Amino acid sequence: AQSVTQLDSHVSVSEGTPVLLRCNYSSSYSPSLFWYVQHPNKGLQLLLKYTSAATLVKGINGFEAEFKKSETSFHLTKPSAHMSDAAEYFCVVSGAGNQFYFGTGTSLTVIP
Amino acid sequence: DTEVTQTPKHLVMGMTNKKSLKCEQHMGHRAMYWYKQKAKKPPELMFVYSYEKLSINESVPSRFSPECPNSSLLNLHLHALQPEDSALYLCASSQVTAPLNTEAFFGQGTRLTVV
Repeated sequence: AQSVTQLDSHVSVSEGTPVLLRCNYSSSYSPSLFWYVQHPNKGLQLLLKYTSAATLVKGINGFEAEFKKSETSFHLTKPSAHMSDAAEYFCVVSGAGNQFYFGTGTSLTVIP
Repeated sequence: DTEVTQTPKHLVMGMTNKKSLKCEQHMGHRAMYWYKQKAKKPPELMFVYSYEKLSINESVPSRFSPECPNSSLLNLHLHALQPEDSALYLCASSQVTAPLNTEAFFGQGTRLTVV
């Protein structure tokens, strides 16, 4: 079975400081993992994806994530937060039967 | 074109009304999804269509009726909704690849208010 745990429901950082959003996964087989961002009253936008190629994945807007099989983690990072990064972030794992399993989300606040 | 288009963006309906939400994609994706999202919560899966056939129905009440007329279109017919059905309804699509799907592409959603 597949599942995702986002370890922080809310993260607050100052503008210009690093961002770390944590995600642990559980999967019966080699997973496909994704990070999505959602701004208020908007749809979900794909930030990046891991599909068993390179373990360090670069995404849009300066975000990246590292797949660590030994730790079953897929944490999202960004070196320097921008005000426009304030949003809800979801870690997602792909499962069989065309399904996607969502974490509970992390709300990122960026303090000017 | 990597876009999933949903209409309408906003919808207010009474509990006796019948309305439909529409979703369209032209990426050649053969899996399409309806999700319901309440405030501050992750999307909840409602239905999955694979190759235009309903493959997953997550025990959704019958007042929600999905339809997939062709490989590009997905509808959600609404009838006799309750106020607690007010939410953001998201459509998504993905390629069907074995063993796991590639990423899902989401529309901007329909904000539904039931009065």
